[in-house]
Amino acid sequence: GDSVTQMEGPVTLSEEAFLTINCTYTATGYPSLFWYVQYPGEGLQLLLKATKADDKGSNKGFEATYRKETTSFHLEKGSVQVSDSAVYFCALSPTGGTSYGKLTFGQGTILTVHP
Amino acid sequence: SAVISQKPSRDICQRGTSLTIQCQVDSQVTMMFWYRQQPGQSLTLIATANQGSEATYESGFVIDKFPISRPNLTFSTLTVSNMSPEDSSIYLCSVGGTGGSSTDTQYFGPGTRLTVL
Repeated sequence: GDSVTQMEGPVTLSEEAFLTINCTYTATGYPSLFWYVQYPGEGLQLLLKATKADDKGSNKGFEATYRKETTSFHLEKGSVQVSDSAVYFCALSPTGGTSYGKLTFGQGTILTVHP
Repeated sequence: SAVISQKPSRDICQRGTSLTIQCQVDSQVTMMFWYRQQPGQSLTLIATANQGSEATYESGFVIDKFPISRPNLTFSTLTVSNMSPEDSSIYLCSVGGTGGSSTDTQYFGPGTRLTVL
């Protein structure tokens, strides 16, 4: 079945540092890929998405590129802020079949940014 | 994106009782889902809530334990039945196919934090 693997956390950075959170996936066909963020005590918010190979999703300074050849969707940000401290989830959704629309999540990566 | 609300936001319940969680969306949506997030864990899909018919459950989840209703295109309920401490989790509803967005993009409610004693 489909699966998503994220780099293990937690990740601790100083403000203005560069962030990379690795995400790789296993899926049949060409799924849509997502990054969600969960701030402390809140639900999930969609951060960005990409629906086909070489697409780049971006939002709030975060970027991720859909790499079909390496089945990856790594999340990056050039300069993190304290307010970026949260849990980040990589996820995929099949684009067809009986599982269409169902999200499979990675295990989540806790990010803590210090001033 | 749609505005999604859940009630209650949190609850503390006794073992053996049941709790019904409501999910309300401010616009009609194609798809509604229920997820569970156990403490410190990722999200696991419980079921797809189908409008006007029985929900479709994922492996490991059954209707007797997690009955779901979806009477219309904006509302759904999830009941956690005969609760045990292992049911302590955050329960989240999500919706897809809202506001013209593709159905593969899901938006989440704020979640219901359940503690079972």
